[in-house]
Amino acid sequence: GAVVSQHPSWVICKSGTSVKIECRSLDFQATTMFWYRQFPKQSLMLMATSNEGSKATYEQGVEKDKFLINHASLTLSTLTVTSAHPEDSSFYICSARRTDRANTGELFFGEGSRLTVL
Amino acid sequence: AQSVTQLGSHVSVSEGALVLLRCNYSSSVPPYLFWYVQYPNQGLQLLLKYTTGATLVKGINGFEAEFKKSETSFHLTKPSAHMSDAAEYFCAVSESGGYQKVTFGIGTKLQVIP
Repeated sequence: GAVVSQHPSWVICKSGTSVKIECRSLDFQATTMFWYRQFPKQSLMLMATSNEGSKATYEQGVEKDKFLINHASLTLSTLTVTSAHPEDSSFYICSARRTDRANTGELFFGEGSRLTVL
Repeated sequence: AQSVTQLGSHVSVSEGALVLLRCNYSSSVPPYLFWYVQYPNQGLQLLLKYTTGATLVKGINGFEAEFKKSETSFHLTKPSAHMSDAAEYFCAVSESGGYQKVTFGIGTKLQVIP
């Protein structure tokens, strides 16, 4: 199956700093990637849809200036948590969907990134 | 609009017993349905999916699910639970076509008792 790689897996930062998380589709092209946030013992909350070459589409209630998304190529999307605070601590997961003929609607997920803000 | 309801946030079964995780969906158009599994501190892995065709879908690790349109259900089953099946399971729905937003249920944590 298609592989999505997310980096870093774990990151600890001080309050007020910015953290960048990368999401790469390794063996397929993805014009669209999705960023989710998962709180402990809860489901995935879609934060935004990342579109290659254009602005991301944010879900209601998600601060676009807080969570900057860049989708610079067909295989890479980045999420930057700006001026992170302890309440931003969470598990962030990216996913991608094939955009070629092999697209079956399935989402391929990265391994997730655990962010801890001190 | 679409939604997913997973009945039972926690399910416990004995090793070797039947696993049944329930999922009901709501969709205004023919849906695509998915089951994903998540192990601690990891991303999600697809177990199986229904898009079109046969309503009984077989997936990895011995899991299967049946799409029942009349009941708007997509329950996940496995005849015999294994200790390695202990994980969180998410049911998800999207509108057919392959390019629509995916909505996830709250998840069901499966515990397997030795």
